[in-house]
Amino acid sequence: TQLLEQSPQFLSIQEGENLTVYCNSSSVFSSLQWYRQEPGEGPVLLVTVVTGGEVKKLKRLTFQFGDARKDSSLHITAAQPGDTGLYLCAVIAGYSTLTFGKGTMLLVSP
Amino acid sequence: KAGVTQTPRYLIKTRGQQVTLSCSPISGHRSVSWYQQTPGQGLQFLFEYFSETQRNKGNFPGRFSGRQFSNSRSEMNVSTLELGDSALYLCASSPATRQGGYTFGSGTRLTVV
Repeated sequence: TQLLEQSPQFLSIQEGENLTVYCNSSSVFSSLQWYRQEPGEGPVLLVTVVTGGEVKKLKRLTFQFGDARKDSSLHITAAQPGDTGLYLCAVIAGYSTLTFGKGTMLLVSP
Repeated sequence: KAGVTQTPRYLIKTRGQQVTLSCSPISGHRSVSWYQQTPGQGLQFLFEYFSETQRNKGNFPGRFSGRQFSNSRSEMNVSTLELGDSALYLCASSPATRQGGYTFGSGTRLTVV
């Protein structure tokens, strides 16, 4: 059983469209992280959310942590080709190890 | 500030051989973690080293091992390679604190033929 379920698995949209990807679990977490990974590179940390109901904005990206701290969403406004990549959510499980969801692969076409 | 450096970037090995991958963390970071990424399983935790000691280990066979040196550089070794070991191996470094941010290297793409 996957600790973190991400949906959708794959998303292909046109430049300028809005989108939301989800990260869900039945477990409660003290914090949750979002990463973006571009082809041939390692994941890059985008944001860490720690408080239930918290909303963080990073330019056109809006991250929300669920009130119960079991789920999170990432909303992208007016997507651009540069947003293309694999979006991963992750939590710290155990003492200090990251557990990742399988990710949402986003393709934004011009 | 230099990032996390992994060498080599690409590697092709034959079944049964062994391989050693290297990771140099960000200066001052004492924790180094290793992950295996495959299309089917995603990113899976291999092990973590802190101050030359293995602090955590994932659910991988004993063929996968690692170590950390006094300068925090880390190596991982895979012996008796199998086709299923083909993957992107990623290393991440973080400061000493548990909640510190993780910075990943670009990975080593291992292909076993």
